[in-house]
Amino acid sequence: KAGVTQTPRYLIKTRGQQVTLSCSPISGHRSVSWYQQTPGQGLQFLFEYFSETQRNKGNFPGRFSGRQFSNSRSEMNVSTLELGDSALYLCASSSQQGAGADTQYFGPGTRLTVL
Amino acid sequence: AQSVAQPEDQVNVAEGNPLTVKCTYSVSGNPYLFWYVQYPNRGLQFLLKYITGDNLVKGSYGFEAEFNKSQTSFHLKKPSALVSDSALYFCAVRVFILTGGGNKLTFGTGTQLKVEL
Repeated sequence: KAGVTQTPRYLIKTRGQQVTLSCSPISGHRSVSWYQQTPGQGLQFLFEYFSETQRNKGNFPGRFSGRQFSNSRSEMNVSTLELGDSALYLCASSSQQGAGADTQYFGPGTRLTVL
Repeated sequence: AQSVAQPEDQVNVAEGNPLTVKCTYSVSGNPYLFWYVQYPNRGLQFLLKYITGDNLVKGSYGFEAEFNKSQTSFHLKKPSALVSDSALYFCAVRVFILTGGGNKLTFGTGTQLKVEL
């Protein structure tokens, strides 16, 4: 089975712009979660989607949004970019049959640099 | 709120020696605990998890972890370290959210493992 894929792998944007990141989960996985990784804050949960519905949201401003499509692929969008948004954005998928024991499998990440 | 602590920023060990990367947790309810490894410029790679049952969990690449409920710990171990084990290791905890379900992991700050010849 192919793993979680994320595109693009690298992005350079300037302050004030917006960006869209894409994630394709492992085939058959219905849950997609997004995390932000920075040297200062570590790994922080952004949000989780399941069956096209946002089920959980982390403590991030409204500039961060996402969605999930019927094929379980997910996108996240960051509007009005700030320098502090520079980070590695990780997507993870799991089969998520309703139990907490499911393993999240991570993609390689998208490295966003805001200038 | 659940939390995970990794008290060591870096662990150094000689190749062939046993290694331990420490993790303690704080949750209400039964914890689901995970270990991930991250190589430079890569995503997180799943190593192992504890859900219930045997306190000693075996995972990928010869790693294992011991769940200790009384000490609220979940230390990662390997009997004989390899130079290729050098990477960043994360402990994570997930508590099942009854309202709306959900699949959120809370991560520790990470421990850099350096294995030297």
